[in-house]
Amino acid sequence: DIVMTQSPFSLAVSEGEMVTINCKSSQSLLSSGNQKNYLAWYQQKPGQSPKLLIYYASTRQSGVPDRFIGSGSGTDFTLTISDVQAEDLADYYCLQHYSYPLTFGSGTKLEIK
Amino acid sequence: EVQLVESGGGLVQPGRSLKLSCVASGFTFKNYWMTWIRQAPGKGLEWVASITNTGGSTYYPDSVKGRFTISRDNAKSTLYLQMNSLRSEDTATYFCTRDSATVDYWGQGVMVTVSS
Repeated sequence: DIVMTQSPFSLAVSEGEMVTINCKSSQSLLSSGNQKNYLAWYQQKPGQSPKLLIYYASTRQSGVPDRFIGSGSGTDFTLTISDVQAEDLADYYCLQHYSYPLTFGSGTKLEIK
Repeated sequence: EVQLVESGGGLVQPGRSLKLSCVASGFTFKNYWMTWIRQAPGKGLEWVASITNTGGSTYYPDSVKGRFTISRDNAKSTLYLQMNSLRSEDTATYFCTRDSATVDYWGQGVMVTVSS
């Protein structure tokens, strides 16, 4: 099974600041067939179901603000949120979709100071 | 607009069974793999089961293999999860999701509580 190690557990920032959330996989998520990384990022606001932000490590889902940026390849991935807004208060999860069993990171709680 | 609406949750005793349903709309259901994902209260996300677009293949983690069965009725645009031999650790909100390049759309979730 691919283990997803996500950090930090939580962070608190002021509006306008930038945050980075990391996910490290125990195996490469890069497909040799199509050169895509099977890593996605989700945002879950309190009381809501998760929402897809980024897939293929760096492709922004339609409608997601461009201050959400996904990067990385192979085993190391980052979600960067620039100019954090109060509405970004949420839990963030990474997901590897490279092989079964699908596995999630443990989540990062973003708080706004 | 893609919509996924789950139903069938509730309180059930350990060892008993429950069947969840998910009605899909806003997309051509028969063209997509589908996945169930759960979240225990206050905890993270856990993959539960996936099924190919035709229903010909299914996938499960060891934690539910042999107890849960995912199925679908493409004529009714409905996804199912039959859960048998339920345990307290199966208590969670169960999300129906569409599986495209990744898990892209999620339902609102349905709560399953396993308790005596």
